[in-house]
Amino acid sequence: GQQLNQSPQSMFIQEGEDVSMNCTSSSIFNTWLWYKQEPGEGPVLLIALYKAGELTSNGRLTAQFGITRKDSFLNISASIPSDVGIYFCAGHLGAGNNRKLIWGLGTSLAVNP
Amino acid sequence: EPEVTQTPSHQVTQMGQEVILRCVPISNHLYFYWYRQILGQKVEFLVSFYNNEISEKSEIFDDQFSVERPDGSNFTLKIRSTKLEDSAMYFCASKDRVYEAFFGQGTRLTVV
Repeated sequence: GQQLNQSPQSMFIQEGEDVSMNCTSSSIFNTWLWYKQEPGEGPVLLIALYKAGELTSNGRLTAQFGITRKDSFLNISASIPSDVGIYFCAGHLGAGNNRKLIWGLGTSLAVNP
Repeated sequence: EPEVTQTPSHQVTQMGQEVILRCVPISNHLYFYWYRQILGQKVEFLVSFYNNEISEKSEIFDDQFSVERPDGSNFTLKIRSTKLEDSAMYFCASKDRVYEAFFGQGTRLTVV
């Protein structure tokens, strides 16, 4: 079935460091999304990417939709303690309004103050 | 800010019992979803619902599962006879025609 391979599985960094994580797939995705999940909460959308090659920023976060539409990366610059959480990539395979999300396994981020 | 609300936050149930997980989607949204996340695993799609009917369901969503939108505001997931392996976080999500889905905070279901 469709699968998103997300790496790394976990990261432990010092406050102020930059972070990079990525997702790859053997399938072509129409949309790539990056979510953050904190303990006891549901996933919160960080960035949505809709076009191959698109590069989008949201504050200290930057994400890109790969040219082949089979990969995406998320960068966090100058990490702070509140960046702690699990970051998920997710994507839509089909078109239209009512599309299910396929999810990666997540990258668990820990930030040492 | 509008939000998706799920109740209860945690449900413990005996194996074989029926459970109903409740969700109040964002009021003007049209598309509704249930996802689940087994501890330590990825989020998995269960079912999507639009125009008062199921649009798509996964292999996980077997005859033990059902969804309803009984009154135009609530969106429920029922598991008829729970199994141990149904223990997971269950997330409800809703979306409109334009933006991506918003997720609730989840219901942790523990089957004992």
